[in-house]
Amino acid sequence: GDSVTQMEGPVTLSEEAFLTINCTYTATGYPSLFWYVQYPGEGLQLLLKATKADDKGSNKGFEATYRKETTSFHLEKGSVQVSDSAVYFCARKWRSAGGTSYGKLTFGQGTILTVHP
Amino acid sequence: ETGVTQTPRHLVMGMTNKKSLKCEQHLGHNAMYWYKQSAKKPLELMFVYSLEERVENNSVPSRFSPECPNSSHLFLHLHTLQPEDSALYLCASSQPSGANVLTFGAGSRLTVL
Repeated sequence: GDSVTQMEGPVTLSEEAFLTINCTYTATGYPSLFWYVQYPGEGLQLLLKATKADDKGSNKGFEATYRKETTSFHLEKGSVQVSDSAVYFCARKWRSAGGTSYGKLTFGQGTILTVHP
Repeated sequence: ETGVTQTPRHLVMGMTNKKSLKCEQHLGHNAMYWYKQSAKKPLELMFVYSLEERVENNSVPSRFSPECPNSSHLFLHLHTLQPEDSALYLCASSQPSGANVLTFGAGSRLTVL
């Protein structure tokens, strides 16, 4: 079935460090891929997305490239800030047997990021 | 504030209680969802409503009963829950097709004693 695997956390970094959070997905068709972020006490917010191979999603300094050959969608940021401390979720659009798939997303287990000053 | 409002934010209930979670959105979305977020587990999709009709029920126990009276409101009725049902319950909404971008509420933290 559909699955998304994220790197185990928690990840702890100093401010201005480089961030990578790995994400791989099962290769069933060509799903849309997403990164969501959950700040403390809040719900999930869309961070970025990519809908086809080689697309690069970007937002707030974060980037992720849809790599079909490695079935990956790793999240990167060149210089993290304390305010980036949150839980990050990778997700793929659920494989549809036919018709619309609504907002059916398969999520990874989440990666906790803590950034220290 | 994302546009999806959930109440209550925190709920503690006994195993014999009956309570309800409420979700409200005024984004003009036509699809609404309930997800369950448990510690160290991926988000689990519970129910999907599109145009007020339930289109997904992912093998959720009958002690969880959803209700969607109109496209702006979604409820999750709870009765005779188990301690393992303690989790963060997230409501989301979207347009029923297209980019599948979900807008989430802040969640209702449920503790079952």
